[in-house]
Amino acid sequence: NAGVTQTPKFQVLKTGQSMTLQCAQDMNHEYMSWYRQDPGMGLRLIHYSVGAGITDQGEVPNGYNVSRSTTEDFPLRLLSAAPSQTSVYFCASSYGGGEAEAFFGQGTRLTVV
Amino acid sequence: RKEVEQDPGPFNVPEGATVAFNCTYSNSASQSFFWYRQDCRKEPKLLMSVYSSGNEDGRFTAQLNRASQYISLLIRDSKLSDSATYLCAVNRATGRRALTFGSGTRLQVQP
Repeated sequence: NAGVTQTPKFQVLKTGQSMTLQCAQDMNHEYMSWYRQDPGMGLRLIHYSVGAGITDQGEVPNGYNVSRSTTEDFPLRLLSAAPSQTSVYFCASSYGGGEAEAFFGQGTRLTVV
Repeated sequence: RKEVEQDPGPFNVPEGATVAFNCTYSNSASQSFFWYRQDCRKEPKLLMSVYSSGNEDGRFTAQLNRASQYISLLIRDSKLSDSATYLCAVNRATGRRALTFGSGTRLQVQP
């Protein structure tokens, strides 16, 4: 019963480096999303997907790319890391686009120095 | 103005107390409402959905007031284990098909 799996759990990047945060779910959910969580800001939506091949921007998409080639995977790419991207990143999946329970991964704690 | 707003707290209450949180939302098109619980340095997990008629799950009661655009969470007989951050979440009927979260309300139950 893996649910939503995120890797890595921790990452330190230098400014300007790129990396991909991985997210995989085994519940056959159509809807997946990426959030970042900063102190006092709550969870802010970065990108989301309503199915394989379909993605859309959320509230704070700048500096991030996503793709959804399969139902299971929804990677988040940081193109050129900046200190402002230091945050905790959560991936979530659900069988409904906000109408149903969202299941979250354990999060990735990213520090950009 | 944020789309979903919560009092950040913290709410410090003794064991056995009753505590209530409110969450206001600005988009009148919102149709689904939830309360999530997040423990320190953990991922959010669904506590309960919020239905128009109000709903109860053990010591927890959720209410929705569409006219005033807020949802509430009541916790009775607080336990130490209730200490956490409580996030409200709403989704729109159209447009962005993902949840919008409030910034969370921190609850600390003290012995």
